[in-house]
Amino acid sequence: DSGVTQTPKHLITATGQRVTLRCSPRSGDLSVYWYQQSLDQGLQFLIQYYNGEERAKGNILERFSAQQFPDLHSELNLSSLELGDSALYFCASSVNQGRVNEQFFGPGTRLTVL
Amino acid sequence: DQQVKQNSPSLSVQEGRISILNCDYTNSMFDYFLWYKKYPAEGPTFLISISSIKDKNEDGRFTVFLNKSAKHLSLHIVPSQPGDSAVYFCAASFFYGQNFVFGPGTRLSVLP
Repeated sequence: DSGVTQTPKHLITATGQRVTLRCSPRSGDLSVYWYQQSLDQGLQFLIQYYNGEERAKGNILERFSAQQFPDLHSELNLSSLELGDSALYFCASSVNQGRVNEQFFGPGTRLTVL
Repeated sequence: DQQVKQNSPSLSVQEGRISILNCDYTNSMFDYFLWYKKYPAEGPTFLISISSIKDKNEDGRFTVFLNKSAKHLSLHIVPSQPGDSAVYFCAASFFYGQNFVFGPGTRLSVLP
């Protein structure tokens, strides 16, 4: 158990809808990272927050947004969903803006868009 | 265009033998490389890393080799154990960068 929790574990929705994925980092971790893993693809870095502020952006679509709240949990919002958004979404956390080996991953949320 | 490639989607090895997982990258600016292991229904967990100033890093049964001129790294697991059966991701980053690039993964099956 990495100490990072993600809810829900599974989410099934329809095209055009909007969903929110939630992540609670390890106790004491200030950074939260979001990754997307599509079928047969590696993890794609989406976005990073540090202590409530956006710090880095990767291949995140404009239809997607994220935020980190004062209690340090983070939410990833996906809107106008398309079939291709079906994927595993991982959240990771680290104490600071550390190197990737210092990131701890949650179990992921599997999103299925029908 | 994939910057980090793992050309073998799967690999099967007998218990006790050596497992070799390969990874190639295209961006010569990458200078920090990592391997992550992922079991089903769990998030990836960090396994081992290597920076570009080294060509080898060892941690118990796991050794990572880096060949910068060939833009190639490999993970050796000796001896392989059934519990090593998982998907292994290779990842690359700039040492102080935040945009980590992962390969598509190789599924390792260690047969008893």
